[in-house]
Amino acid sequence: ILNVEQSPQSLHVQEGDSTNFTCSFPSSNFYALHWYRWETAKSPEALFVMTLNGDEKKKGRISATLNTKEGYSYLYIKGSQPEDSATYLCAFEFGGYNKLIFGAGTRLAVHP
Amino acid sequence: EAQVTQNPRYLITVTGKKLTVTCSQNMNHEYMSWYRQDPGLGLRQIYYSMNVEVTDKGDVPEGYKVSRKEKRNFPLILESPSPNQTSLYFCASSLGQGTGEQYFGPGTRLTVT
Repeated sequence: ILNVEQSPQSLHVQEGDSTNFTCSFPSSNFYALHWYRWETAKSPEALFVMTLNGDEKKKGRISATLNTKEGYSYLYIKGSQPEDSATYLCAFEFGGYNKLIFGAGTRLAVHP
Repeated sequence: EAQVTQNPRYLITVTGKKLTVTCSQNMNHEYMSWYRQDPGLGLRQIYYSMNVEVTDKGDVPEGYKVSRKEKRNFPLILESPSPNQTSLYFCASSLGQGTGEQYFGPGTRLTVT
């Protein structure tokens, strides 16, 4: 059974803090690793899709790294703002065809 | 505007009464998927489709059917809904595998009593 683990489950930080989360996934049959941001009462929105070992992607204050050999990805948020409060989901794509296994997410709350 | 639409957004129904949740995308995407989201669990893929008339089971397909007769539409059918299918459902589409980020619809909250 393929399993994707995200840690921590939830995180409370102060405005201005930098933070990071982990996504662990199987190291075999890897096709891509996705990160999504999901705000309450909205739909998940894509942040990054990474395919190559060593990939690093950045969007504003958010960045992600990928290690396919050991099966993990980190998501970093620099200088957290209250509007960063959301659940961050990672998804392991295996075998192509957009077959995805999602982790349960990390819920981030940024306090002013 | 590029979007994925789902209808209805909210539905309360009774056990055994067949229902269909529609999903449509206007981005000419090849791939479409259905997910369900339950508290404490990640999004779980129900079915996915690689193109017209090509569908395959995801992780939790029991109790669901899909069809892909046109590229833009991917309805989810519950032939005989049961209370354990009470959930939040998302439809998503993407350009393709590997670089195919998912574009999610607004979600359908289904309650089966």
